[in-house]
Amino acid sequence: NAGVTQTPKFQVLKTGQSMTLQCAQDMNHEYMSWYRQDPGMGLRLIHYSVGAGITDQGEVPNGYNVSRSTTEDFPLRLLSAAPSQTSVYFCASRRTTEAFFGQGTRLTVV
Amino acid sequence: DAKTTQPTSMDCAEGRAANLPCNHSTISGNEYVYWYRQIHSQGPQYIIHGLKNNETNEMASLIITEDRKSSTLILPHATLRDTAVYYCIVRPAPNSGGSNYKLTFGKGTLLTVNP
Repeated sequence: NAGVTQTPKFQVLKTGQSMTLQCAQDMNHEYMSWYRQDPGMGLRLIHYSVGAGITDQGEVPNGYNVSRSTTEDFPLRLLSAAPSQTSVYFCASRRTTEAFFGQGTRLTVV
Repeated sequence: DAKTTQPTSMDCAEGRAANLPCNHSTISGNEYVYWYRQIHSQGPQYIIHGLKNNETNEMASLIITEDRKSSTLILPHATLRDTAVYYCIVRPAPNSGGSNYKLTFGKGTLLTVNP
């Protein structure tokens, strides 16, 4: 049981480039979400999904897109990377009670 | 979601109990208290949650005051591997659906377990 798998673990982008952070879970969880964590701060919610085909914005959605075509996958797309998006990104999934988090993607935008 | 207040940092000696407090004076009747922790550079890990009764699992115990305005997470025998940031989160019932499943993280308490 792999839980929540995020790829890549590390990424360096140039300003203006686009990329997709991958998140997959094998627990058949309905709810998935993306958070970002900046130094010295708690996690902030970017986007979330309550099921396949349903997504919604969180606290800091600007500059990011998501889609949920399957229960298992919830990719996060950066349309045009900016230095302000340098952060550690965590994906999480949940059925009812506890949330399971991936190990994170450390993104640097130069 | 109700706001929580936690100390910025705490120290604990290895093998002793670690007691981490959390104030949530604006908690409403249908809101649960959740605890997560984040070991350096890793994703957050669920520890325990409760509504009004004290709860215990293999990781920790959760003590909630009778008025529910504060709670304490207890790690009975802290080890060096328990060094982490501990987050206290208040949110509606787990199965209340929709956006109520969101977790709002504050800055948490950095617990340092010393040898």
